[in-house]
Amino acid sequence: QVQLVQSGTEVKKPGASVKVSCQVSGHTLTELSTHWVRQAPGTGLEWMGGFDPENGQTIYAQKFQGRVTMTEDTSTETAYMELSSLRSEDTAIYYCATDNGSSLRTFYFWGQGTLVTVSS
Amino acid sequence: DIQMTQSPSSLSASVGDRVTITCQASQDISIFLNWYQQKAGKAPKLLINDASNLETGVPSRFSGSGSGTDFIFTISSLQPEDFATYYCQQYDNLPLTFGGGTKVEI
Repeated sequence: QVQLVQSGTEVKKPGASVKVSCQVSGHTLTELSTHWVRQAPGTGLEWMGGFDPENGQTIYAQKFQGRVTMTEDTSTETAYMELSSLRSEDTAIYYCATDNGSSLRTFYFWGQGTLVTVSS
Repeated sequence: DIQMTQSPSSLSASVGDRVTITCQASQDISIFLNWYQQKAGKAPKLLINDASNLETGVPSRFSGSGSGTDFIFTISSLQPEDFATYYCQQYDNLPLTFGGGTKVEI
């Protein structure tokens, strides 16, 4: 069974960057497509971006273009999401989520979430 | 971007009730729609994909239907463990988009 374990809570000041990790076990990272979804307090789910096999590349939501970078380290089976120029509106729980290797763009497996708080 | 309009945003129901949630896409997405359940403080869980395909292990009281722009999610007999927020998600086009969620409360 695939398990995703994310890094811990972060508190950042406006303008700073945050890098959240997501370690995958039970499957090879390269056989899955990893995405990042965030949820601001009391609100719904927002897709930030992820690897899209149909395009063969990582696609970012336009809202985050230029501020977000998603990478993978296959040697440690870990995915990363770095968000820069943080503002208070970025306070949210950030989830990594993957497909199952065959049903694309569907989030079968989720990390536990990482709370990122942006406050001066 | 494809907008997903989910309704209602919240509902109150009792154990044993039949619950129906609708999700409308701003354009035709065929059957490329998923339904997730999220309990408080937890990550979402995939319940249904391809609009009507129940995931392994998901109780049969959950069901989904629809195609094109209009979709329905149903819980045939609400159980105590079903009180949660439910989201639809389209995966026909990027960016992937979610409905606003439906909170099912007692």
